[in-house]
Amino acid sequence: DAGITQSPRYKITETGRQVTLMCHQTWSHSYMFWYRQDLGHGLRLIYYSAAADITDKGEVPDGYVVSRSKTENFPLTLESATRSQTSVYFCASGRVGYEQYFGPGTRLTVT
Amino acid sequence: DAKTTQPTSMDCAEGRAANLPCNHSTISGNEYVYWYRQIHSQGPQYIIHGLKNNETNEMASLIITEDRKSSTLILPHATLRDTAVYYCIVVKAAGNKLTFGGGTRVLVKP
Repeated sequence: DAGITQSPRYKITETGRQVTLMCHQTWSHSYMFWYRQDLGHGLRLIYYSAAADITDKGEVPDGYVVSRSKTENFPLTLESATRSQTSVYFCASGRVGYEQYFGPGTRLTVT
Repeated sequence: DAKTTQPTSMDCAEGRAANLPCNHSTISGNEYVYWYRQIHSQGPQYIIHGLKNNETNEMASLIITEDRKSSTLILPHATLRDTAVYYCIVVKAAGNKLTFGGGTRVLVKP
């Protein structure tokens, strides 16, 4: 099916563990984005990618690592999860100069 | 990107038009006004965008003032499913990064 998917949808992990959130889009959009949304707040940009092998920091990149070896995938890794990274994570994709399409989100809890 | 100011919340009667204002007084000539909404727990959804002309699509209309310092999103016949947080965002032309503010929490009442 065409669209943007995220996995897992829910994840509970312990402090200090590494966890990777996956994002996959089928539109071949050049841009992909990762946002986090804390309870009761707006979304904040973590990292974005303009194309395969091109990534750049957003507003809140500390503690996160991204890679983009293929156009359709944009995984986000928390190298050593902390409680402050408990959040809902949204992935998005889009063409340059056009709107973004968001995935359903991953709800991450760090205990 | 220019900053936007929106009311924190507003109520609307089902079936009536909902008019959502947004102030973006520092907008530059090459910046667009985008509107997204986020229905509870879902990812944001694109609604509409414009540069200086008014725009309309199947979801909404966007009215931008002549000086481009403010705009209004109009939901012509609000339904209960339009209850959501609505975000007005200014984006540079050929740019893609979105900076979300607090948005307007719209509650459509029967």
